[in-house]
Amino acid sequence: AQTVTQSQPEMSVQEAETVTLSCTYDTSESDYYLFWYKQPPSRQMILVIRQEAYKQQNATENRFSVNFQKAAKSFSLKISDSQLGDAAMYFCAYRSAETDGQNFVFGPGTRLSVLP
Amino acid sequence: DSGVTQTPKHLITATGQRVTLRCSPRSGDLSVYWYQQSLDQGLQFLIQYYNGEERAKGNILERFSAQQFPDLHSELNLSSLELGDSALYFCASSVAGTASYNEQFFGPGTRLTVL
Repeated sequence: AQTVTQSQPEMSVQEAETVTLSCTYDTSESDYYLFWYKQPPSRQMILVIRQEAYKQQNATENRFSVNFQKAAKSFSLKISDSQLGDAAMYFCAYRSAETDGQNFVFGPGTRLSVLP
Repeated sequence: DSGVTQTPKHLITATGQRVTLRCSPRSGDLSVYWYQQSLDQGLQFLIQYYNGEERAKGNILERFSAQQFPDLHSELNLSSLELGDSALYFCASSVAGTASYNEQFFGPGTRLTVL
């Protein structure tokens, strides 16, 4: 079974600075997808960014980018020019592309605080 | 607004009782997923339905059951409730049932409190 680890339970960043959230995963599969979801205090789960494992190019979405290292099974999220609205729980998630089930396997989350 | 609706928003009940949580997926989405988010166990996948049929099962207790109806809405039934069942229950939907890159869209969740 796949597992996802987020080793930083809490992080903080100064407004306008850059922060990197770590995520590692364990899988024997070669084809899969990785996602970062954000959960603000409203509790709504919001997709931040996603990556296909067979694509070497790192995904970017505006201020959000990932560093995907397939061999190391690492998928970190970089947030540039941090804003107060970025404060939330961030979950890294894995989804297999090889099995029929489409469910996510989530990491335990990292709580990000943004300091004014 | 993700387009996924869940009712009720909050539910308070007693141990031993039975409740039903309801989810309507986004228009056009065929897959529905149920997740449980508790403080000590994080986000756990419970079960997936695709076009009315069960597609995948996760850490779902035997006291819990779900179904997806012809109009694609889904219900999660929780019975013989225990204090430990208190959690936020999310429903998510996506277009595909087979392995894909598609995003899962999450509903706002139902907060269940068992007293």
